[in-house]
Amino acid sequence: GQSLEQPSEVTAVEGAIVQINCTYQTSGFYGLSWYQQHDGGAPTFLSYNALDGLEETGRFSSFLSRSDSYGYLLLQELQMKDSASYFCAVRDSGNTGKLIFGQGTTLQVKP
Amino acid sequence: EPEVTQTPSHQVTQMGQEVILRCVPISNHLYFYWYRQILGQKVEFLVSFYNNEISEKSEIFDDQFSVERPDGSNFTLKIRSTKLEDSAMYFCASSEAQGATYEQYFGPGTRLTVT
Repeated sequence: GQSLEQPSEVTAVEGAIVQINCTYQTSGFYGLSWYQQHDGGAPTFLSYNALDGLEETGRFSSFLSRSDSYGYLLLQELQMKDSASYFCAVRDSGNTGKLIFGQGTTLQVKP
Repeated sequence: EPEVTQTPSHQVTQMGQEVILRCVPISNHLYFYWYRQILGQKVEFLVSFYNNEISEKSEIFDDQFSVERPDGSNFTLKIRSTKLEDSAMYFCASSEAQGATYEQYFGPGTRLTVT
């Protein structure tokens, strides 16, 4: 079957650093994406990793290890507005771009 | 900034009725998708659409579902006979191309409530 595992909840304080892990098991793999979702709104693209290593975009970084079927999203200098759900998603098809999502991690940032 | 739009934002319907959810993808995008998210659960892929035909569909996308691009701008999802378990948020997404590096842009969603 196809599965992505990520923690259900994470809590951190403003200014801190938090890491959200994602392990995956899918029939195909063409990259790992991260999306942010506020209160059931539209998922918003954050980052994408196709190759091993770290991708940095401002306060957010994402890491991928294909040999370990593992990735993580790193959020630095946390702000209250970062409180949201974060989903990892695997693109398992090279033809259609279909995304398979994890269950999501709810991040609560406290003052 | 271009964005994907969806109408209506909320649709309430009775079990057995037909509903059509509408989406306007970003104008220069060629690949279109429907996903759904049952309250409190993960986002699930329904169908992908390219060049006026379905390129892939999930097990959820049974004969009750259909998609159409009736003109150059709209992309619709039809559910012929709604069931209680169809209640969910339905998201439309589009991308410029299907290559792995191309981001999918999601619309704000239509919340479907089947009573």
